[in-house]
Amino acid sequence: KAGVTQTPRYLIKTRGQQVTLSCSPISGHRSVSWYQQTPGQGLQFLFEYFSETQRNKGNFPGRFSGRQFSNSRSEMNVSTLELGDSALYLCASSLSPGGTDEQYFGPGTRLTVT
Amino acid sequence: AQSVTQPDIHITVSEGASLELRCNYSYGATPYLFWYVQSPGQGLQLLLKYFSGDTLVQGIKGFEAEFKRSQSSFNLRKPSVHWSDAAEYFCAVNGGTYKYIFGTGTRLKVLA
Repeated sequence: KAGVTQTPRYLIKTRGQQVTLSCSPISGHRSVSWYQQTPGQGLQFLFEYFSETQRNKGNFPGRFSGRQFSNSRSEMNVSTLELGDSALYLCASSLSPGGTDEQYFGPGTRLTVT
Repeated sequence: AQSVTQPDIHITVSEGASLELRCNYSYGATPYLFWYVQSPGQGLQLLLKYFSGDTLVQGIKGFEAEFKRSQSSFNLRKPSVHWSDAAEYFCAVNGGTYKYIFGTGTRLKVLA
């Protein structure tokens, strides 16, 4: 079956703009998590959605938001972009939330803020 | 608070040599433990996981890991490294709180 897909794969934005990233989970997976990966901070958890509800949120400012649709596809939005938001944004899907099921990661979206 | 420490940022081994990547965690109880691998430009792939039971866990690509409660460690091992194993390896924990905590990663270089 198809893996986790993320679009777009690469994105260049200017400071102050906003951006929306998309994640399509593996068919049948209802849990979607988002992570930010940077060389300095490593992998940091952003939030997790299950059945269209945000289950948990990491320590990121309110500029970072997300949502999940009824078909389990998820989007994350970053408003008022800052240079420090440049990162690889990874999406992961699993059958259920809570950490007991294996997470399958997408290839990521590389965001560059100039 | 949960935390994961991977003390080795970079490791270089020769092809055919054995490998051990270290991971220490901090958590009040026994968390769920994972090892992931990330190749350049790729997402993360699960190598193995530990939830309970046998403390020696077998994974894909010939990797294994041993959970040692007394040392709060979950080290990853491979008896003979292949050039294709060059990648970045991440240890992660999840205490069932819907949130994974990842270590900072160990970048493995394999010499021919």
